[in-house]
Formats: sequence, C-alpha cells, structure tokens
Amino acid sequence: ELKVEQNPLFLSMQEGKNYTIYCNYSTTSDRLYWYRQDPGKSLESLFVLLSNGAVKQEGRLMASLDTKARLSTLHITAAVHDLSATYFCKSSGGSNYKLTFGKGTLLTVNP
Amino acid sequence: DGGITQSPKYLFRKEGQNVTLSCEQNLNHDAMYWYRQDPGQGLRLIYYSQIVNDFQKGDIAEGYSVSREKKESFPLTVTSAQKNPTAFYLCASSIWGSGANVLTFGAGSRLTVL
Repeated sequence: ELKVEQNPLFLSMQEGKNYTIYCNYSTTSDRLYWYRQDPGKSLESLFVLLSNGAVKQEGRLMASLDTKARLSTLHITAAVHDLSATYFCKSSGGSNYKLTFGKGTLLTVNP
Repeated sequence: DGGITQSPKYLFRKEGQNVTLSCEQNLNHDAMYWYRQDPGQGLRLIYYSQIVNDFQKGDIAEGYSVSREKKESFPLTVTSAQKNPTAFYLCASSIWGSGANVLTFGAGSRLTVL
C-alpha cells in the first residue's frame, strides 16, 4: 500500500527565513506533485516532478525529487507572508490513478 | 475560461437524507475524481472515473455513489449510509495516460449534517 508522509505537518516561520518541507513515499514512483491550498479554498498545482533529479523553481519555492531515496523536498527561500498556506505532496505510486496525497504541511509565515 | 464548477458551495443535510454534489468540467479531460477532505486528514479518494460510463472505487467509497453519463459531468451522491458525511468535498479532473497527470480542482463543496 502506497503511503506518503510529509513533515513537518505544522511549520511556523519568520519572514526572511529559509526552510524545507519533506515528502517521503513508500513505493516506487516516477512522478511527484506539489499543490498549494489557501484556507477555505481549493488546491492549485505548484510543481510536477517527472524524473529522478528533477528540480523546479518558481519564485521563492523550489522542489526537487530523488526517486532512489523516495524523497521530494519543497524548499522555501526568504519566506514572505503570502506563502502562508497548506502544501500537499502527491505521489503516483507507479500507477495512474492511485494518486495518494500526503496529509499536508500548514505553513504560517509571521512578520 | 476552462475549469471545473462544483455546486452547491455549501450544503446542509439532515440525517437520513441523500444529497448530490454536482461537478462539471469543460477542460475536455477524460478522468474525473472525487476527494474528501477532513481537518488534519489530507485528501482521501472516494471515486474516480477514466472514461464515460465507467468508474472505480477509491479508498473510502462506502456510503457514496457516482455516475459518469457524460464526459463533462461526474456527480457524487452522499447517501444516508455514510455515517459521518460532514466534510469538504473536492472534485478534480485530469488528462489520462502517460505523462504528467496534473489535477485541476473545483472550488469545493462544504457539506454539513445537522
């Protein structure tokens, strides 16, 4: 059974600081997705990582994938308040349909 | 603009009633999905459909039913058999096949049982 674990589940950080969210998954997966959810809202896609060593960056967020370690990271650089949201990773688990989500990381960026 | 429309946005149900949540997409996506979100639980897959007139159970299908009579529509019925239906329900769609199957989500429907 595919399991996707994110940590930390809660992250409170100050503006200007850096931090990393980790996403571990239990079975071989060739694709890893990151989504963002604002409070009370739906999810929007941030990154799709399609191969080992893939790195995607947009603004202050950078995502990477290590398929051998079954690990993806979402790195936040010089955090700003607008990044406050819940971030979910999702693994394909090698299957097209069992797109299992992690429990999400609630990020709060404080002034 | 292409997207997914869910309705209603808020819904209140009495115990013992069935309710149906609507999901319509104009993205020409083959696959559609229903997820349930509870606080601290992440998203859990209820049902998904790859093509018209076919659908598969996800991880928590008990107490729910779906239909896929048209490519654009994938309604979810929450039946009286669902013991704890209060949650945020999200519909999503994607292309189907090899490649990046990024999910596009609707705005969600929040169901509360009175």
